[in-house]
Amino acid sequence: DAGVTQSPTHLIKTRGQQVTLRCSPKSGHDTVSWYQQALGQGPQFIFQYYEEEERQRGNFPDRFSGHQFPNYSSELNVNALLLGDSALYLCASSSGPEAFFGQGTRLTVV
Amino acid sequence: GIQVEQSPPDLILQEGANSTLRCNFSDSVNNLQWFHQNPWGQLINLFYIPSGTKQNGRLSATTVATERYSLLYISSSQTTDSGVYFCAVERVGTASKLTFGTGTRLQVTL
Repeated sequence: DAGVTQSPTHLIKTRGQQVTLRCSPKSGHDTVSWYQQALGQGPQFIFQYYEEEERQRGNFPDRFSGHQFPNYSSELNVNALLLGDSALYLCASSSGPEAFFGQGTRLTVV
Repeated sequence: GIQVEQSPPDLILQEGANSTLRCNFSDSVNNLQWFHQNPWGQLINLFYIPSGTKQNGRLSATTVATERYSLLYISSSQTTDSGVYFCAVERVGTASKLTFGTGTRLQVTL
């Protein structure tokens, strides 16, 4: 079992650009959630996808959008990148109450 | 939203010492998880423990949901225990959305 996998592991983008991050859930999991973790802080919930629809959303602007595919994998898209979007982006998958996290994508906006 | 407070924020131990990390939360929860974040950013599942007591090797955890706190015990600490420990809760009525505390940064020295 490969667990939750995310790609890429590191990414550098320029302010104003757009970025897409990818997540493959743990085998048998149908729910994917995305979190943003700024340096020195705990992860913050962005949104959650289930059955290819956004089920819940945290306090993030519309520049943050996502998608879930029929195979349960997911993408996180961020438009019009700001310097403040620099963070570790974590994907979590679940099929019940316990969530399992990937290794994250470290995004740097310059 | 729900508030999650962890204490202490920082902890330095000598190898072999024991420690107790605390997580207080401000509302009823139906999920509580403890994670260890390694230096590469990966969140490692330690316990899924909405109530009761569990043990896994040198680690154990207790959640008293009626009093809104959880404790993580680390015995005979090792240098590999170093990292940040997060408590995350799911408030009743917010399915699968985890709210994280600010973490306890643990450093175990020789």
